[in-house]
Amino acid sequence: NAGVTQTPKFQVLKTGQSMTLQCAQDMNHNSMYWYRQDPGMGLRLIYYSASEGTTDKGEVPNGYNVSRLNKREFSLRLESAAPSQTSVYFCASSVRANTEAFFGQGTRLTVV
Amino acid sequence: AQSVTQPDIHITVSEGASLELRCNYSYGATPYLFWYVQSPGQGLQLLLKYFSGDTLVQGIKGFEAEFKRSHSSFNLRKPSVHWSDAAEYFCAVGAHYGGSQGNLIFGKGTKLSVKP
Repeated sequence: NAGVTQTPKFQVLKTGQSMTLQCAQDMNHNSMYWYRQDPGMGLRLIYYSASEGTTDKGEVPNGYNVSRLNKREFSLRLESAAPSQTSVYFCASSVRANTEAFFGQGTRLTVV
Repeated sequence: AQSVTQPDIHITVSEGASLELRCNYSYGATPYLFWYVQSPGQGLQLLLKYFSGDTLVQGIKGFEAEFKRSHSSFNLRKPSVHWSDAAEYFCAVGAHYGGSQGNLIFGKGTKLSVKP
């Protein structure tokens, strides 16, 4: 079972460049999430999708956009990357909101 | 607002010693509570969860946690730590954020080091 798959695993961007982080889950989960992890800050929610066709802002949405492409896929886009977006990004999914989330392996993004 | 506090940033224990990691939460109703573990360079793995019922829950890898409503706590314990338990541990609460939808709110984590 693949679970939650994120691509790419590593990425270096220049300030102002754009990119999309991809996430797919094969567990037939309804809810999907994007978190960022920074040292000493724990995980902070960027955006989530409670169900296919819906997306909502989390704690730190500025500078990001998301697309719930279908039930399996939830992408995160940085339109104009900034050094403050250097972080490790995790995608997660759950059967429904508030239940246990299953995490991908993360994407380590560096913006120079 | 809902919040999760893990008071200890870093804990070091000797291999074979007992372990307790603290977690306190702030939430207006009975929360859903979780403990996750993260090894270096890896994603988060669920150790255990509490939804309702018995306040002492068992998880994987020999961990357990106790929900104490009166203390707003959900502390993680293990009777005998193994070197492979060295990792970062995150407590999380299922909460409502924004509208009627829910998601998990995480504490800042406790890094566990194990001395041989």
